[in-house]
Amino acid sequence: GAVVSQHPSWVICKSGTSVKIECRSLDFQATTMFWYRQFPKQSLMLMATSNEGSKATYEQGVEKDKFLINHASLTLSTLTVTSAHPEDSSFYICSARDRGVQYFGAGTRLSVL
Amino acid sequence: AQKITQTQPGMFVQEKEAVTLDCTYDTSDQSYGLFWYKQPSSGEMIFLIYQGSYDEQNATEGRYSLNFQKARKSANLVISASQLGDSAMYFCAMRPRGSGGYNKLIFGAGTRLAVHP
Repeated sequence: GAVVSQHPSWVICKSGTSVKIECRSLDFQATTMFWYRQFPKQSLMLMATSNEGSKATYEQGVEKDKFLINHASLTLSTLTVTSAHPEDSSFYICSARDRGVQYFGAGTRLSVL
Repeated sequence: AQKITQTQPGMFVQEKEAVTLDCTYDTSDQSYGLFWYKQPSSGEMIFLIYQGSYDEQNATEGRYSLNFQKARKSANLVISASQLGDSAMYFCAMRPRGSGGYNKLIFGAGTRLAVHP
């Protein structure tokens, strides 16, 4: 299947700082990418849909100013957690669609101290 | 409402035996897609199998098969000849047609499978 690369896989940051997570489609172009958040022992929660060349579409209850999404090219979307706080600590995972199937990155575990 | 239900929080199976993970869905759409993903402890989500709502044959991918019963709105995953490496969390997901053109997926709560030697 298609390959989606996500970096970093693990990040620890201080409260108040910003963290950027990258999601790349390695062997295909993706006009649409998706960002999810997953709490321990729970399912994936869609945060936003990232659209190449236009603004992201955020799900209800997700703060767009807190979670900035940029989809600058057909192979790269970034999620920036701004002014991170301990409650933002979570597992963030991206996906990209290739021929009808969403392929996922390996995820990023964010710990905010 | 669009919804995926996985009623088994956890399942155990003996190595080399088959196991069925249940999934039921709710949608009023006529066209939709059903997916199964595996999430090992490392966290990555691995695509296993896909079934389209208009597909007449049950999907199969190696040891994975999808028991699609449209009238009952169920899409159970069957894993044959279980291996120790199959121990993971399994998520059923649906992509309804009315997902805003962005192919959003709706996930179930997941089933944790443990394969015993």
